Amino acid sequence: GAGVSQSPRYKVAKRGQDVALRCDPISGHVSLFWYQQALGQGPEFLTYFQNEAQLDKSGLPSDRFFAERPEGSVSTLKIQRTQQEDSAVYLCASSLVVRAEQYFGPGTRLTVT
Amino acid sequence: GDSVTQMEGPVTLSEEAFLTINCTYTATGYPSLFWYVQYPGEGLQLLLKATKADDKGSNKGFEATYRKETTSFHLEKGSVQVSDSAVYFCALIEGGGSQGNLIFGKGTKLSVKP
Repeated sequence: GAGVSQSPRYKVAKRGQDVALRCDPISGHVSLFWYQQALGQGPEFLTYFQNEAQLDKSGLPSDRFFAERPEGSVSTLKIQRTQQEDSAVYLCASSLVVRAEQYFGPGTRLTVT
Repeated sequence: GDSVTQMEGPVTLSEEAFLTINCTYTATGYPSLFWYVQYPGEGLQLLLKATKADDKGSNKGFEATYRKETTSFHLEKGSVQVSDSAVYFCALIEGGGSQGNLIFGKGTKLSVKP
């Protein structure tokens, strides 16, 4: 079946612009995670959803970052007033149940100029 | 908090050489341990996992054993191929009632030359 998809794959934003990154998890997967991967680093946890409930947002770096999953499937990560330090690859992962294997999407590479 | 440390790369090997990528972890409970691989231009893929002490995960000729006494999960392969060139990430999920978010090491880039 289809894997996790993310769009856009690449996004260039001018500093100060708002961006929205979309994640389509595998159908039926309860858990959804967002990670941020800086160049040459491992992914770092941003936020976690169980169905539509955002249970952990402790990894969001600032209040400019906002995520939602209103119907328990598609999720959007929004970054307001982008800064250069927001440049990174944003990864989405889903799993069938809590603590099960996570399947990753290809990521969205965000470049803030 | 919990953390993962893996050997820095890049690692360059000739085809058919033996591979070891070291990984150690710090955790308060009993984590589950993973190796993920990222091939050029592709997303992260689970390579293997182990959920309790002394478990051995294996896949595609790669192996790693969960060593609680040394808090390690070293990745090994007996004979690497050019197609194994990728970035390898060691990761853990905290034990207990955690929600399951992964904690990753920084990654080790492997280049295999023909």
